[in-house]
Amino acid sequence: QVQLQESGPGLVKPSQTLSLTCTVSGGSISSGGYYWSWIRQHPGKGLEWIGCIYYSGSTFYNPSLKSRFTISSDTSKNQFSLNLSSVTAADTAVYYCARVRRVGATTFFFDYWGQGALVTVSS
Amino acid sequence: QSVLTQPPSVSAAPGQKVTISCSGSGSNIGNNYVSWYQQLPGTAPKLLIHENNKRPSGIPDRFSGSKSGTSATLGITGLQTGDEADYYCGTWDSSLSGVVFGGGTKLTVL
Repeated sequence: QVQLQESGPGLVKPSQTLSLTCTVSGGSISSGGYYWSWIRQHPGKGLEWIGCIYYSGSTFYNPSLKSRFTISSDTSKNQFSLNLSSVTAADTAVYYCARVRRVGATTFFFDYWGQGALVTVSS
Repeated sequence: QSVLTQPPSVSAAPGQKVTISCSGSGSNIGNNYVSWYQQLPGTAPKLLIHENNKRPSGIPDRFSGSKSGTSATLGITGLQTGDEADYYCGTWDSSLSGVVFGGGTKLTVL
């Protein structure tokens, strides 16, 4: 059973960089066949996809979001990470990591999710 | 404003059936597979349906999915109080080159 666990600071000051890590167990992020993704949810709002990384290191992001996001991976630790620079209060949200099943150009869904990490941006 | 449109809320009595709609366009639902997620209060989303109508292992057959044209529907039969949750549809959008979600539907089991 694949499990994902987010970790990182719960409080970040405005203009600083938010850094979160997702640790995967029960499966290897370098085994191929899956993408690894970050999704966020603003308080009381819906889901917003941030971006994905493949085991090869290739990444792609939500084009609707400004390019302040960076997703990277550390296959030796079976982890992938999210960095968000120049945060503002509008970045306060629960951040989820998830495994992605992508098949061709038409199939894309999140089959395993972490429990989520609440990040508050405040001075 | 979400790319996919869902009703904000639906309600039904225990034991009854409810459907939740998800409307999109040709660049998303019309040409890509739809998935559905259940988010119980205070928890992470959970995959309910993928590829329009497939249930992951462990998801009861009370949950079903369908798609027609640029709309998709989640059906839940034999409603239980434990089904009270927010439900989201999602899919790939070929024009936006990204994943899009509906705004979510809050299910109340009266």
